[in-house]
Amino acid sequence: DTGVSQDPRHKITKRGQNVTFRCDPISEHNRLYWYRQTLGQGPEFLTYFQNEAQLEKSRLLSDRFSAERPKGSFSTLEIQRTEQGDSAMYLCASSSGQGGAYNSPLHFGNGTRLTVT
Amino acid sequence: GDSVTQMEGPVTLSEEAFLTINCTYTATGYPSLFWYVQYPGEGLQLLLKATKADDKGSNKGFEATYRKETTSFHLEKGSVQVSDSAVYFCALSANTGGFKTIFGAGTRLFVKA
Repeated sequence: DTGVSQDPRHKITKRGQNVTFRCDPISEHNRLYWYRQTLGQGPEFLTYFQNEAQLEKSRLLSDRFSAERPKGSFSTLEIQRTEQGDSAMYLCASSSGQGGAYNSPLHFGNGTRLTVT
Repeated sequence: GDSVTQMEGPVTLSEEAFLTINCTYTATGYPSLFWYVQYPGEGLQLLLKATKADDKGSNKGFEATYRKETTSFHLEKGSVQVSDSAVYFCALSANTGGFKTIFGAGTRLFVKA
């Protein structure tokens, strides 16, 4: 178990640019989640994959955001035409689904901190 | 929709003091309840969980009991240490919620030596 890894750790970009983040979940986990966290708040759900299928998307996820998990392993989150309001920590988590999908705890990566200037 | 409300911080305690962080929830289904902790410079990690009413989750001296009648899952520890200084998040995951986990806003705990 090497843990969930996210890349990059930090990203500074100018408004209007596109950015892409990568998440590598724990290898045997089939569920992968993206969350966004701003200062002083808890993580907010963005989207969720079971294997390669994207099963749910939050209304927070505008059409500038897209996520993929092409082979059911790593995932990417792309933000197009970034805005200053997109500045946040983007967290990836995975879970095994053992004991039931909603009983299974999340294992988080350390996040990618995005700053849009 | 489902939601979690936890007490605002920061909470500042002296070492060996008793800790309570309140958490209440609203859910249409039968949620599982979790406490996650984020230590300085680290990612969120599971502290404890309870999956049905009256279950008690425990870990590292922390405890929380799933109270369905009061829709609460308060976190307690009898004697805190400086190393417990962190942000604590209460969370739920419901079988009617599409398997996503919903988090409270977090409570920052400072423990003074």
